[in-house]
Amino acid sequence: EPEVTQTPSHQVTQMGQEVILRCVPISNHLYFYWYRQILGQKVEFLVSFYNNEISEKSEIFDDQFSVERPDGSNFTLKIRSTKLEDSAMYFCASRELAGLFEQYFGPGTRLTVT
Amino acid sequence: KQEVTQIPAALSVPEGENLVLNCSFTDSAIYNLQWFRQDPGKGLTSLLLIQSSQREQTSGRLNASLDKSSGRSTLYIAASQPGDSATYLCAVGFLSGSARQLTFGSGTQLTVLP
Repeated sequence: EPEVTQTPSHQVTQMGQEVILRCVPISNHLYFYWYRQILGQKVEFLVSFYNNEISEKSEIFDDQFSVERPDGSNFTLKIRSTKLEDSAMYFCASRELAGLFEQYFGPGTRLTVT
Repeated sequence: KQEVTQIPAALSVPEGENLVLNCSFTDSAIYNLQWFRQDPGKGLTSLLLIQSSQREQTSGRLNASLDKSSGRSTLYIAASQPGDSATYLCAVGFLSGSARQLTFGSGTQLTVLP
C-alpha cells in the first residue's frame, strides 16, 4: 500500500541553525501539508501546498519557515534560525486533489533544538 | 475560532469492554472528519473517515458516528484489547479551510488493561 515517507526520523540541531525536513508524498497525490505537534500538545496545521505554491498557511508559518517541491517526488520544509520552541514532531501529509479529501500522514520527523 | 474538543482526556478500561470516545466541534460546516490513532512517539494512523453527508462508518471493531448538526462525533470500540491502548485523535475538516486542512482535538489516551 502506498505511504508517505519522511526523513530523517530524528534531527538534532543547535539553536540558530537551519534544518530541512523531507517528505515523499504518495505518488498520485497533488495536495501536500505540514503539521507539527509540540510534545503534549495538539497537532497543528502549518501550511498546505498545491500546484507549486502555498495554498494556505497558519499564523505559525512565518518568515522562518518555507516549503518547496524541488522535484517530482520530494516535498520539503525548511526552518531557518531554529529556536528552542521549534522542537516538535513534524508531520507531512498528502491527499488526492478531489474525492474524499482523506489525508495520509507520514511517520513524522522529531526535531530537537538544543 | 473553530475548535475540536475531545473528552475524556484519558480512559482506562478492562479488556473486553466496549467503549465510546467523544469529539465535539464548534462549527457544523464541515466536509469530513477523521479519527486517528497515535502510539507514543509515533505517527498518525488513519482509522476512519466520515464525509459530512454520512452518519457513520465502520471498520472491524470500530464504528464512528457523525451528528453534524450538533457538532459531535463518537468513536465506538467493541471488545477492547490491550493492543488498542493508544491516543485517539479526532480531526475535522472545516469548510472554511480552503485547503481542506484538518483541525485536531487534543486526543483521548486509552489504556486497556489485561
